[in-house]
Amino acid sequence: AQSVTQLGSHVSVSEGALVLLRCNYSSSVPPYLFWYVQYPNQGLQLLLKYTSAATLVKGINGFEAEFKKSETSFHLTKPSAHMRDAAEYFCAVSRMNRDDKIIFGKGTRLHILP
Amino acid sequence: DGGITQSPKYLFRKEGQNVTLSCEQNLNHDAMYWYRQDPGQGLRLIYYSQIVNDFQKGDIAEGYSVSREKKESFPLTVTSAQKNPTAFYLCASSEDRFDATMNTEAFFGQGTRLTVV
Repeated sequence: AQSVTQLGSHVSVSEGALVLLRCNYSSSVPPYLFWYVQYPNQGLQLLLKYTSAATLVKGINGFEAEFKKSETSFHLTKPSAHMRDAAEYFCAVSRMNRDDKIIFGKGTRLHILP
Repeated sequence: DGGITQSPKYLFRKEGQNVTLSCEQNLNHDAMYWYRQDPGQGLRLIYYSQIVNDFQKGDIAEGYSVSREKKESFPLTVTSAQKNPTAFYLCASSEDRFDATMNTEAFFGQGTRLTVV
């Protein structure tokens, strides 16, 4: 079975500071990994995805994530936070299997301090 | 433009009523999903469907029902058996993941906020 754990339900950073949102996964086969962002009362929007190509994945809005197999991690980072980055972020995992479904973490709400 | 549409955006239900949430996609995706979102609990899978006329229960299917008569449509009915239906409901779709080279990401609708009054 596969699962995903996001460390920290709330993270606060100052505007201009580094953003680091943590995600660890569990999967018995090579996974596909995703980060999604959700703004209030909206659906989820894909930030970036890892599908076994480059381990460092660049996404929209200046975010990137690095797949580390040895650590089973896929942490999301951004060098400099903006106020508009305040949202909820979800890590998700799936794998190449017809019967599998996409599993989401519980989410991390990112607060940006002025 | 291709996308996934949920309606209505807001829905109010009286105690004991069944209500149906609509989800339509024109992305030609085989797989569709329904998630429930509550504060602090993230997304929980209610039902999913990998192909027309077939669907499987997710983690919290009790009190819900679905149908998949057409590829583009996956309506969710919240029945009176669902004891705490007030939540934000999200519908999503994705291409068939049978081929590893295909796009596996999920596309989401804007959500329906259901409130019991």
